[in-house]
Amino acid sequence: DAGITQSPRHKVTETGTPVTLRCHQTENHRYMYWYRQDPGHGLRLIHYSYGVKDTDKGEVSDGYSVSRSKTEDFLLTLESATSSQTSVYFCAISRKLDQPQHFGDGTRLSIL
Amino acid sequence: SQQGEEDPQALSIQEGENATMNCSYKTSINNLQWYRQNSGRGLVHLILIRSNEREKHSGRLRVTLDTSKKSSSLLITASRAADTASYFCASDGETSGSRLTFGEGTQLTVNP
Repeated sequence: DAGITQSPRHKVTETGTPVTLRCHQTENHRYMYWYRQDPGHGLRLIHYSYGVKDTDKGEVSDGYSVSRSKTEDFLLTLESATSSQTSVYFCAISRKLDQPQHFGDGTRLSIL
Repeated sequence: SQQGEEDPQALSIQEGENATMNCSYKTSINNLQWYRQNSGRGLVHLILIRSNEREKHSGRLRVTLDTSKKSSSLLITASRAADTASYFCASDGETSGSRLTFGEGTQLTVNP
C-alpha cells in the first residue's frame, strides 16, 4: 500500500468549531487531493495541491481551506464547522494529474 | 452533475458467476479509471484505460471503453466472496482539467 496516513481517523465536534485534518505521505508524490464521500454523491473533490504552496479549488471548496508547506503534508481546515460538513474525508496522492490515485483510509467527521 | 454514473447501483451474485458494471460519462475524456472500495477503507486503483484504447485486461478484470457512447464497463470473471466491495469509475473530462470525477459506485455482493 502507498504510504498515506490520515489523522485523526475519527472526530466528533460541535458546530462552529475549527477542525483540521492531516494527510501525510511518504511517497514523494507531487499531487495531493482532499475528497469528501457522502451517500448519493460519490466522491467529490474539495481541494488539491500540485506542489508545495500550490493549491487549487475543487468541486465543493466552499467552507474549506488547505495548506501544503511540505511535500509530505496536506492539511484540510474547516474554519467554522457546520453540520453539512459531516462526512467521510479522503486524502489521495498521485505522481501526475492523469495518473492513478492512491487513497488513505479516510477520516470520519461528525459535526453535531 | 456527475461526470460518471454507474449502473446498476447494487448487484448481488453467487461465487463463480461473472459481474458486469457499467459507467456512463458526459464529456470527452482523456482516460477512465476504475477503483474498488472495501467497507471502511479507502479506494484502491484497479485499472486505467485511455481514450484511444477499447479494451484492457488485468487478471480477472476486463474493462471496455466506448467513446462514441461515452460508456465503459467493468467485468469481473469467476467472482469470489472477497470481491464484495463498491466499485467506482472515475473520468478526467477535458473540461475538468484532467482532475478525476467519480461516479456514485456499484455495490457488489458476492455470496459464497
